[in-house]
Amino acid sequence: QSALTQPASVSGSPGQSITISCTGTSSDVGAYDYVSWYQQHPGRAPKLMIYDVRDRPSGVSNRFSGSKSGSTASLTISGLQAEDEADYYCSSYTSSSTHVFGSGTKVTVL
Amino acid sequence: QVQLVQSGAEVKKPGASVKISCKASGYTFNYAVHWLRQAPGQTPEWMGWINAANGDTKYSQKFQGRFTITRDTSASTVYMELSSLRSEDMAIYYCATEYYSSTWHYCFDPWGQGTLVTVSS
Repeated sequence: QSALTQPASVSGSPGQSITISCTGTSSDVGAYDYVSWYQQHPGRAPKLMIYDVRDRPSGVSNRFSGSKSGSTASLTISGLQAEDEADYYCSSYTSSSTHVFGSGTKVTVL
Repeated sequence: QVQLVQSGAEVKKPGASVKISCKASGYTFNYAVHWLRQAPGQTPEWMGWINAANGDTKYSQKFQGRFTITRDTSASTVYMELSSLRSEDMAIYYCATEYYSSTWHYCFDPWGQGTLVTVSS
């Protein structure tokens, strides 16, 4: 199972909005609405930010939103803040009943 | 509040096996528990999961044959064991529960703190 494709890096100024894409196939992202997004700060475990394409766990800021079109999912961070600087990974359930992660995107707040 | 606490860092020689524990607290021990790993500078990689209620398991084909997940319900603990270690297995290993909110969702939350496995001769 190949990793889902994400841009290596995305940057934005405080207050701006950025969008991270996550491209898979008809066997994963395109097959189910089971796409999730994780934020990871250095030395920390990943933290769930979005599940089921667009839902936020309790406690996650509404500045984070998700969407999907076909085999490409997206994470948008609006009102970018310094604390949002981290690595972001998408993940999808697959038609083989396994899970696959994206290649990861480093978000830099300028 | 679900919490997962993993055992400490391990140093192993190539060809050896490693066994890591993941103790759960704060909930009834009937969740799906997944194991994932993350090599330095790399993306997380899903390895497999166990249904803590009945012991059913599913593994990534990549690790089939040298990876085993077990559980001890009396101790609310899940274990993973990886054998025939090679340098490419050097990574931080995480356990994580399947996220539950009204129903199960195919994602991971919370995660344990991670266990560093170093493979070196």
